[in-house]
Amino acid sequence: DAGVIQSPRHEVTEMGQEVTLRCKPISGHNSLFWYRQTMMRGLELLIYFNNNVPIDDSGMPEDRFSAKMPNASFSTLKIQPSEPRDSAVYFCASSLQVGGAGGNQPQHFGDGTRLSIL
Amino acid sequence: KQEVTQIPAALSVPEGENLVLNCSFTDSAIYNLQWFRQDPGKGLTSLLLIQSSQREQTSGRLNASLDKSSGRSTLYIAASQPGDSATYLCAVPTGANSKLTFGKGITLSVRP
Repeated sequence: DAGVIQSPRHEVTEMGQEVTLRCKPISGHNSLFWYRQTMMRGLELLIYFNNNVPIDDSGMPEDRFSAKMPNASFSTLKIQPSEPRDSAVYFCASSLQVGGAGGNQPQHFGDGTRLSIL
Repeated sequence: KQEVTQIPAALSVPEGENLVLNCSFTDSAIYNLQWFRQDPGKGLTSLLLIQSSQREQTSGRLNASLDKSSGRSTLYIAASQPGDSATYLCAVPTGANSKLTFGKGITLSVRP
């Protein structure tokens, strides 16, 4: 049973370059989340989708960040242009939200993309 | 704004000890609370999810309790093992949606 799949696992690139992170959620899950984790700030939600529609992008730090979910099995997080302060581990997570509210089902995380911007 | 706090940031115990990890949150109007485990270089693994109507959940040697009125949750680990060494994070939804606010985690080291 495949979990959340993220690629690449590691990315090292120079400042100013475009970076694209990819995520394949668990089949059947209808919610997808992008998080960023740093030592200083911990784990922060960037954006989340429900049924492929962005619901809350208030955590996206600035216009350099964008996320898309063209279908239920794929999402991308893009940074353009990248800056050294974007260096972090980026996680994708998915869950099955069944009625109700408040994230009533556990979120399943991928292993993350470790991004280093030089 | 919901804030989640986990203290201490790190904990080291000898193998076999029973231990309690604490989590506190500022806004008690939560729908549920989740405990996660994170191993180095890995993503988060959901351990337990407690709905707001529940007071505790158990899974094997793990027991999580929730006291909404006081804004606290505890994760109890019985008979700790070196394999329990990891970072443990708690998280609560922010408002009536799936957006989670995380604590910064407690890094647990269980010494053989």
